[in-house]
Amino acid sequence: EAGVAQSPRYKIIEKRQSVAFWCNPISGHATLYWYQQILGQGPKLLIQFQNNGVVDDSQLPKDRFSAERLKGVDSTLKIQPAKLEDSAVYLCASSLELAGPGTDTQYFGPGTRLTVL
Amino acid sequence: DAKTTQPTSMDCAEGRAANLPCNHSTISGNEYVYWYRQIHSQGPQYIIHGLKNNETNEMASLIITEDRKSSTLILPHATLRDTAVYYCIVRVPHQGGKLIFGQGTELSVKP
Repeated sequence: EAGVAQSPRYKIIEKRQSVAFWCNPISGHATLYWYQQILGQGPKLLIQFQNNGVVDDSQLPKDRFSAERLKGVDSTLKIQPAKLEDSAVYLCASSLELAGPGTDTQYFGPGTRLTVL
Repeated sequence: DAKTTQPTSMDCAEGRAANLPCNHSTISGNEYVYWYRQIHSQGPQYIIHGLKNNETNEMASLIITEDRKSSTLILPHATLRDTAVYYCIVRVPHQGGKLIFGQGTELSVKP
């Protein structure tokens, strides 16, 4: 079974530029998550989708970050304009999220490492 | 904020058991204990979870105290590939229960 795919793996941009990250979850997984992981810290949830609807975006800086999940499959996370403090690894995860035990296990992709200069 | 407390770092000799402690004294009755690990430059990986009974799978064992205020993740025969940051998380499964990651424990398995 293929895992969660993310691209690009690395991105370097200058502040005030825009950037987009792409995530393809595990096939059939209804729930998709985007996390931000700053160096030396644990991942922090930015946004959670259930199919193509937003469940939780309370930690998403909406003045500069946006995310969408068209057709309830792939998702993109965009930052516009980027700031120095946005330098981090952006992780995508997905879960099956049915009623049965273990179906809420989150499977993570390898992440995109963003450097803002 | 994370509801768990873990040591910042631990060492373990290759082939020996690695015992990673976690305190979660404010855990609620419907919250489970989850463990994830993150190997360098990879995304976090699910290891195991439990409510109150001890659990075992192919990766590890989870021992939860009777009062559920603490737990221990056991890697029975640690290898160099087990070197990673280990996160202990309490959450309500499903129902939108978030994974709130703390600092975790950086486990170094040494030859």
